[in-house]
Amino acid sequence: EAGVTQSPTHLIKTRGQQATLRCSPISGHTSVYWYQQALGLGLQFLLWYDEGEERNRGNFPPRFSGRQFPNYSSELNVNALELEDSALYLCASSPGQVGTEAFFGQGTRLTVV
Amino acid sequence: GDSVTQMEGPVTLSEEAFLTINCTYTATGYPSLFWYVQYPGEGLQLLLKATKADDKGSNKGFEATYRKETTSFHLEKGSVQVSDSAVYFCALEPGRRALTFGSGTRLQVQP
Repeated sequence: EAGVTQSPTHLIKTRGQQATLRCSPISGHTSVYWYQQALGLGLQFLLWYDEGEERNRGNFPPRFSGRQFPNYSSELNVNALELEDSALYLCASSPGQVGTEAFFGQGTRLTVV
Repeated sequence: GDSVTQMEGPVTLSEEAFLTINCTYTATGYPSLFWYVQYPGEGLQLLLKATKADDKGSNKGFEATYRKETTSFHLEKGSVQVSDSAVYFCALEPGRRALTFGSGTRLQVQP
């Protein structure tokens, strides 16, 4: 069974540009989560999608946005990139039931120069 | 709000030493608790979990017990190996909401 897949694995953008990150969840999983892991720091929760709806978002500015498609895959968009947006962006999926663990992808390393 | 507090790292141990990484949490209700591990250059993998008080999660020689009275979920291993070197994250899932993670504890095991 395929795990959570993220693309691209690496992305280099210039300050002010937009970045689009993609995530395909495990088959049958309806919930997708996005986290930011900046260098040397823990995981900061960004967004949670379930059944196509945004269920919750973390303490990030509106230029971080996303969506979930009917096949439950998801996109994370970051507009007006800033240098401090450089980080590893991790996507996770779960079946959406209480007490079930989330499965993580390998991440997209975004570098803003 | 929900939060997870982990002991500061890095933790440096010799091979075959005993490992404890402390984790305490604050949450309303009865969250599920998890330990995830992140090996260098990789994403996070679930190490173990516990979904109710007094449950013990275990995997690959690691154990953690859900202690409701002390709101703790400490990770232990009796004899660490060099291959256990990684960053360990404690997390809670407060019921149909996203996981809340601790700041992570880096473990370095020396031969």
